[in-house]
Amino acid sequence: DTEVTQTPKHLVMGMTNKKSLKCEQHMGHRAMYWYKQKAKKPPELMFVYSYEKLSINESVPSRFSPECPNSSLLNLHLHALQPEDSALYLCASSKGLAGGPGDTQYFGPGTRLTVL
Amino acid sequence: AQSVAQPEDQVNVAEGNPLTVKCTYSVSGNPYLFWYVQYPNRGLQFLLKYITGDNLVKGSYGFEAEFNKSQTSFHLKKPSALVSDSALYFCAVRDRKNTGTASKLTFGTGTRLQVTL
Repeated sequence: DTEVTQTPKHLVMGMTNKKSLKCEQHMGHRAMYWYKQKAKKPPELMFVYSYEKLSINESVPSRFSPECPNSSLLNLHLHALQPEDSALYLCASSKGLAGGPGDTQYFGPGTRLTVL
Repeated sequence: AQSVAQPEDQVNVAEGNPLTVKCTYSVSGNPYLFWYVQYPNRGLQFLLKYITGDNLVKGSYGFEAEFNKSQTSFHLKKPSALVSDSALYFCAVRDRKNTGTASKLTFGTGTRLQVTL
């Protein structure tokens, strides 16, 4: 099973709201990722967690705050977002170190975020 | 640095005909190469990858890709296209020298495949 789940599927929020995106996998993967994808564009990496520790932050604004409570869960906390942050937010996971250099990332269906 | 180029924004093919989606890459060392497919309003779905060995890689749904080191290419192919193959296809690369604790991929800009009856 290579399933990554994400909730909610759709989210509409105002610029003063606080919301969270959730991602879950039960494949025993130890690396988890957040990507942002604009329409008809490739995914842009935001954060990588490896063994529940933040490994990569691609200079993402602080209004996006990731959290990895355990090896199966990944959250993305949102606060004071701008309309240009509207996008599809994708979560992915991979084996991490155990997968070796050719480690494969498996993606969730995404959360479609609209900021008003 | 690593990069990927997908020179065609869109590829049109008739159902039953062979299809090719092009991808070229640039890495300082040797590459790991991946193809993903994305259906509308969905996440990316892994199709296949090249790590080492046989240059022809077979993947899901009858897709295959050929690694060509001299041309730095990894074109996606299918002998007989289906209307249901219509989607957005992304090529991605990771440099073997990228030995971080998690695999950081670089994606191409994507190619929209349109298969018609």
